[in-house]
Amino acid sequence: GENVEQHPSTLSVQEGDSAVIKCTYSDSASNYFPWYKQELGKRPQLIIDIRSNVGEKKDQRIAVTLNKTAKHFSLHITETQPEDSAVYFCAASEGNNFNKFYFGSGTKLNVKP
Amino acid sequence: NAGVTQTPKFRVLKTGQSMTLLCAQDMNHEYMYWYRQDPGMGLRLIHYSVGEGTTAKGEVPDGYNVSRLKKQNFLLGLESAAPSQTSVYFCASSDPGQGNNEQFFGPGTRLTVL
Repeated sequence: GENVEQHPSTLSVQEGDSAVIKCTYSDSASNYFPWYKQELGKRPQLIIDIRSNVGEKKDQRIAVTLNKTAKHFSLHITETQPEDSAVYFCAASEGNNFNKFYFGSGTKLNVKP
Repeated sequence: NAGVTQTPKFRVLKTGQSMTLLCAQDMNHEYMYWYRQDPGMGLRLIHYSVGEGTTAKGEVPDGYNVSRLKKQNFLLGLESAAPSQTSVYFCASSDPGQGNNEQFFGPGTRLTVL
């Protein structure tokens, strides 16, 4: 099955700085890559996703880039705020099955005020 | 509109005991999922369902069974609990037929097996 690796496991930044989280995947047939944010004690929530026919997608301060050749994708958060502090998970679909995901192990982001 | 709900929120079992976790969604979603979340390991798919009456194995199905008798409910059963099944269990639902692959998660069930 798919193997998704996520780095770093923890990331600490100063408020206003940018944060980048990187993921790699093993299945070249994967076509859908969502990112979920999980605040402490809460449920995961989708923050952005990208499909394989797109190289980059932005939503306000959040952007995701995808390099299908290298099989890696990244989450970029600009102008970080304390409320961005959470655990972020990347995921990759099982081939064209956009409803079966393999998740990375998570990145705990701490934004220091 | 409650979204995705899970029952119970917490449970402590002894090794060998059985239990059923209930997931309910009121969004008329076709797909439902059960994940477990362990420290440092992200979310791992246990079983999922693509519609009423269907179930399929995920990444870590051993020791669990599921049933989807009604579209709005997805049950996860542990027949003989083991300490390795201590985890936080999340249910989720989605409706790809609406052109949206977002999975909506429930609040989680924290299970401890002694």
